[in-house]
Amino acid sequence: NAGVTQTPKFRILKIGQSMTLQCTQDMNHNYMYWYRQDPGMGLKLIYYSVGAGITDKGEVPNGYNVSRSTTEDFPLRLELAAPSQTSVYFCASSYSFSRAGVYEQYFGPGTRLTVT
Amino acid sequence: AQKITQTQPGMFVQEKEAVTLDCTYDTSDQSYGLFWYKQPSSGEMIFLIYQGSYDEQNATEGRYSLNFQKARKSANLVISASQLGDSAMYFCAMREAPNTGGFKTIFGAGTRLFVKA
Repeated sequence: NAGVTQTPKFRILKIGQSMTLQCTQDMNHNYMYWYRQDPGMGLKLIYYSVGAGITDKGEVPNGYNVSRSTTEDFPLRLELAAPSQTSVYFCASSYSFSRAGVYEQYFGPGTRLTVT
Repeated sequence: AQKITQTQPGMFVQEKEAVTLDCTYDTSDQSYGLFWYKQPSSGEMIFLIYQGSYDEQNATEGRYSLNFQKARKSANLVISASQLGDSAMYFCAMREAPNTGGFKTIFGAGTRLFVKA
């Protein structure tokens, strides 16, 4: 049981380039999330998904796209990278109802992205 | 709109002493959940403790307890017997309960805790 895995761990992009951040979970969670964490700040929700084929915007969706074709995978796409997207990106997943009654989110290790 | 406020950017505590990290929240929902996460310098997010809005007793998990005062909309984290390994960033978060149809979680700006030997 690997939990939530993210690749890559680090990436440097040039302005205007595109890339996809990968996220996979093996806990059969139906909810998945993408957050960004800017230096010295808390996490902000970019996009979320309540199940395969269903996604919606969070607080800061501009410049990003997502898809959810399977329960396990929730990739985040940056189409035209900008310096403002320099951040650490966390993927997370959760049950809608957990056995313990706690709606805990399980986080991946993060991807550190720099756009120059 | 939902909001989480952590007013302490940084806190110092002596090893083996207790420390309280403040968190206030604002929501118009009746059903919600409050979380605390720890983020050490390695960067991962570690779940610590959860309090449901209808829970009558304060949540406890080992050395962590959550001082939940619903009328004041506060959910302070208390760490007893601080250890050097407790030095980290701590985030308070709030989530609408799924049975209301919501599930978004919002995070506070965090409090950095330094434990002194």
